[in-house]
Amino acid sequence: GESVGLHLPTLSVQEGDNSIINCAYSNSASDYFIWYKQESGKGPQFIIDIRSNMDKRQGQRVTVLLNKTVKHLSLQIAATQPGDSAVYFCAAWNYGGSQGNLIFGKGTKLSVKP
Amino acid sequence: DTGVSQDPRHKITKRGQNVTFRCDPISEHNRLYWYRQTLGQGPEFLTYFQNEAQLEKSRLLSDRFSAERPKGSFSTLEIQRTEQGDSAMYLCASTPGQGEDTQYFGPGTRLTVL
Repeated sequence: GESVGLHLPTLSVQEGDNSIINCAYSNSASDYFIWYKQESGKGPQFIIDIRSNMDKRQGQRVTVLLNKTVKHLSLQIAATQPGDSAVYFCAAWNYGGSQGNLIFGKGTKLSVKP
Repeated sequence: DTGVSQDPRHKITKRGQNVTFRCDPISEHNRLYWYRQTLGQGPEFLTYFQNEAQLEKSRLLSDRFSAERPKGSFSTLEIQRTEQGDSAMYLCASTPGQGEDTQYFGPGTRLTVL
């Protein structure tokens, strides 16, 4: 099965700086990954995804990097804003079950200082 | 707002009572997932439906838990004889396709068992 873990439970950055949140996964067969943002009292919100045939994907102010060799992915947020304060989860598609499902890490809480 | 709705948003119950939660997925989404999230953790997969068929259940889903999706649209999750350990956020997600795909989450139902 898959297990997913984040390197740091908390991250504090200054407004305007770039943020980097890291994640490691265990199953080399996993080939689809998603980053979610979760604000207090709300459900996870999709940010960006990446498939294993890519090593980088960019969205609006966000970039996901995938290193399949070391089974690591990261989320980079450019010019971090107070509204980016939330818990960020990486999730990997798991093939342990008959059909597959998402396995989530524990999350990194991002705090943005004004 | 992702278009996935859940009801109720909060539920407080006494130990031993039965509770039922409802999830309305995004219209025409074939797959519907249930997750449980406890404080400080990422969502944990419980079960999912492809249309009205329940295709997979996690071992987290004890026999006190039952889920249905009778017409392939909304779904209900019932917990019988609730225990304090059932206190958590119950999240629903839906996805349009099959297999790997972005899952869109609802706001969740926060259950507190006294």
